Amino acid sequence: DAGVIQSPRHEVTEMGQEVTLRCKPISGHDYLFWYRQTMMRGLELLIYFNNNVPIDDSGMPEDRFSAKMPNASFSTLKIQPSEPRDSAVYFCASSLFGSGATSYNEQFFGPGTRLTVL
Amino acid sequence: SQQGEEDPQALSIQEGENATMNCSYKTSINNLQWYRQNSGRGLVHLILIRSNEREKHSGRLRVTLDTSKKSSSLLITASRAADTASYFCAPTSDTGRRALTFGSGTRLQVQP
Repeated sequence: DAGVIQSPRHEVTEMGQEVTLRCKPISGHDYLFWYRQTMMRGLELLIYFNNNVPIDDSGMPEDRFSAKMPNASFSTLKIQPSEPRDSAVYFCASSLFGSGATSYNEQFFGPGTRLTVL
Repeated sequence: SQQGEEDPQALSIQEGENATMNCSYKTSINNLQWYRQNSGRGLVHLILIRSNEREKHSGRLRVTLDTSKKSSSLLITASRAADTASYFCAPTSDTGRRALTFGSGTRLQVQP
């Protein structure tokens, strides 16, 4: 398996522009997570999906951020309009949850998208 | 999920030395995971220890868990320059929110 795939790896845009980040989770995984990492705030959860359904979006900063998961193999995180304070590295991660005594939630992270908003 | 707090914030050692970093958390857990992040890259899962385990080994890694003290430690033996990275712990529960909550991590610098 190629692991979690994110695109683009780097994005430089101007304030006010729309930005779309993409993620392909590991095949068969049923959970997908979007995280954001900055020096000031560290690594924080934005939203996560279970079987393509958003479960917790309490970390989404504001209405300018939206995330979708139209199918099990693809998710997008959109920022519209973008602002300089959105500059960060955005990570997508996926995992597979078992059940009972052997359940665990190891997460597999993608390489991240480094977003710079000028 | 709950957040773990790593300590120390930064650690600098010489190649070949052992590195120990600690994690504390506040409520009951089912397991605790350790992740590594090399500069500019995504996090990589290192090891998971369950609440009914006290110690676990994986190569040069040794993890301990003391649920009575709500703490864990990660020991890297015979460190290498390639171990230079940030290390994060993630205490987790089999119920509730599935997402991980990360602290600030321990930044390990291994000097060649």
